[in-house]
Amino acid sequence: ILNVEQSPQSLHVQEGDSTNFTCSFPSSNFYALHWYRWETAKSPEALFVMTLNGDEKKKGRISATLNTKEGYSYLYIKGSQPEDSATYLCAQKNTDKLIFGTGTRLQVFP
Amino acid sequence: DTAVSQTPKYLVTQMGNDKSIKCEQNLGHDTMYWYKQDSKKFLKIMFSYNNKELIINETVPNRFSPKSPDKAHLNLHINSLELGDSAVYFCASSFRTVNTGELFFGEGSRLTVL
Repeated sequence: ILNVEQSPQSLHVQEGDSTNFTCSFPSSNFYALHWYRWETAKSPEALFVMTLNGDEKKKGRISATLNTKEGYSYLYIKGSQPEDSATYLCAQKNTDKLIFGTGTRLQVFP
Repeated sequence: DTAVSQTPKYLVTQMGNDKSIKCEQNLGHDTMYWYKQDSKKFLKIMFSYNNKELIINETVPNRFSPKSPDKAHLNLHINSLELGDSAVYFCASSFRTVNTGELFFGEGSRLTVL
């Protein structure tokens, strides 16, 4: 059984703060790790897909790292803005399946 | 143009009825999925089809029957609807053989069973 865990469950930060959250996954049978951003009343949109141990990806103020040996990935947001408020989902690809974590709900207050 | 489109967006129906949700993608992907967002907002995979063939069936009750007439369409038919079927259902698509292939989601179909 594949369990993808995310922490914290929710996070409230002030505008301008930097923040990070964690995704843990079983390190066996690893194919890829995905991060998605899910705004309320919209559909999830892919942020990053990482496959190699040590991968680091960056998109603007958001970056992610991957450690496949110990089974975790971090997502960082530098200088959070109110428009960053969303649920951030990670998902592990295992053969044909993409198994999602429960998400971290981020709220950024002006 | 919407990449992955689902219809209807909202569906309210009575227990015991049969209903369908349609999904179409214009991205040229070879794999399509149905996910259910449960009461805890968790996305759980239900089915996956690759080139019209079923490749994942995650212990979903057999009242749920997916149908893929071609690789651009994956419809979900639900028989004898129950209260517990109320949820948001998301369709998605990707390239199966590409590990880096991200999922593209539809906007979701909110099903309410009364």
